[in-house]
Amino acid sequence: KNQVEQSPQSLIILEGKNCTLQCNYTVSPFSNLRWYKQDTGRGPVSLTIMTFSENTKSNGRYTATLDADTKQSSLHITASQLSDSASYICVVSSRAGTASKLTFGTGTRLQVTL
Amino acid sequence: NAGVTQTPKFRVLKTGQSMTLLCAQDMNHEYMYWYRQDPGMGLRLIHYSVGEGTTAKGEVPDGYNVSRLKKQNFLLGLESAAPSQTSVYFCASSYVQGEWGNPPLHFGNGTRLTVT
Repeated sequence: KNQVEQSPQSLIILEGKNCTLQCNYTVSPFSNLRWYKQDTGRGPVSLTIMTFSENTKSNGRYTATLDADTKQSSLHITASQLSDSASYICVVSSRAGTASKLTFGTGTRLQVTL
Repeated sequence: NAGVTQTPKFRVLKTGQSMTLLCAQDMNHEYMYWYRQDPGMGLRLIHYSVGEGTTAKGEVPDGYNVSRLKKQNFLLGLESAAPSQTSVYFCASSYVQGEWGNPPLHFGNGTRLTVT
């Protein structure tokens, strides 16, 4: 059964600090992985996508990594801001022939405080 | 350009009542989806549509029906609400099918439904 596990479940950090969120998956065959940011009371918004051949990709203060061998991805946030407070969701796509499926992680809830 | 709009934002139903959740998108996307989000669980696909007039079952379709009479609208119906359907419902759309290569899904802001 395809699974996506995210850690930690929740995290509190001080403004200006860095943090790293983890996503481990047991999805086969792996196609790609996307990170979403979900503000409280809002729908998720895509941050970035990692394909099989990509190791690192940056989007402003967000840097995603992918290790397809260990089936792990991370999302690193640099110099956190209060507006980074949100849930971060990892979504993995698996593909077999012409069919594919998205498996959602349960998310990491990040709180950035003063 | 509003993106994906869901109505209502909140609703409380009694067991056995029916209701329809409305979703509208103005991005001319072919593909639309209904998900539910529950505490401690990832988003789960209820039903989806690959174009006007088409619908298909997702991972958790029981107790729900959908219709896509117009390209921009996707309706989710609950014929006889049950407490297990208490959840936050999200509508999403994409320019290609979400089951092909993981394109960015554009989500609405959700409908919080409580069934008592």
